[in-house]
Amino acid sequence: AQSVTQLDSQVPVFEEAPVELRCNYSSSVSVYLFWYVQYPNQGLQLLLKYLSGSTLVESINGFEAEFNKSQTSFHLRKPSVHISDTAEYFCAVIVPSGGYQKVTFGTGTKLQVIP
Amino acid sequence: DAGITQSPRYKITETGRQVTLMCHQTWSHSYMFWYRQDLGHGLRLIYYSAAADITDKGEVPDGYVVSRSKTENFPLTLESATRSQTSVYFCASRKGSREDETQYFGPGTRLLVL
Repeated sequence: AQSVTQLDSQVPVFEEAPVELRCNYSSSVSVYLFWYVQYPNQGLQLLLKYLSGSTLVESINGFEAEFNKSQTSFHLRKPSVHISDTAEYFCAVIVPSGGYQKVTFGTGTKLQVIP
Repeated sequence: DAGITQSPRYKITETGRQVTLMCHQTWSHSYMFWYRQDLGHGLRLIYYSAAADITDKGEVPDGYVVSRSKTENFPLTLESATRSQTSVYFCASRKGSREDETQYFGPGTRLLVL
């Protein structure tokens, strides 16, 4: 079965500084990878996803993530964070099989942007 | 465009009581899901449904019951609430069976069992 590890439960960072949120997965087969964002008192929203093709995927609000198969990682980065990026970020993985497969979520990383 | 809604948003109940959490989506999505979110565990799947009258267990189904008589509704019932069921519950929906499709989440229900 697949699993996802987010080693950092909290990441404080100053406004306009760069940030990297780490995500590692374990799977012996190909996977789909996702990053979700959860703002306070809201549900999760899809931020970006990797299905196949280019290993670098981008979101509309400046985040990007790179799929690294050899390191089984899918780290999320942003070169300059804003106060509004304060949220909890969840990495998730699916092993595609043609039928239904559950999404496995990581335990989340709280990003706190300090003014 | 209402999307996916959950009610109630907050609920306090006592051990042993029956509680039903409601989930409604306006997109006619085939798939619907119930997750619970607990500190240190992320989100864990309780039950899911592929269509009306088709439901299946997820990772942590014990103590929960679901039904799906209509495509747009997917209620979750705690038949006899326990303190360990104190959590934040999220409903989600997905258009079809393709695993690369986006899941859309509701705003959550915060449940406290005393």
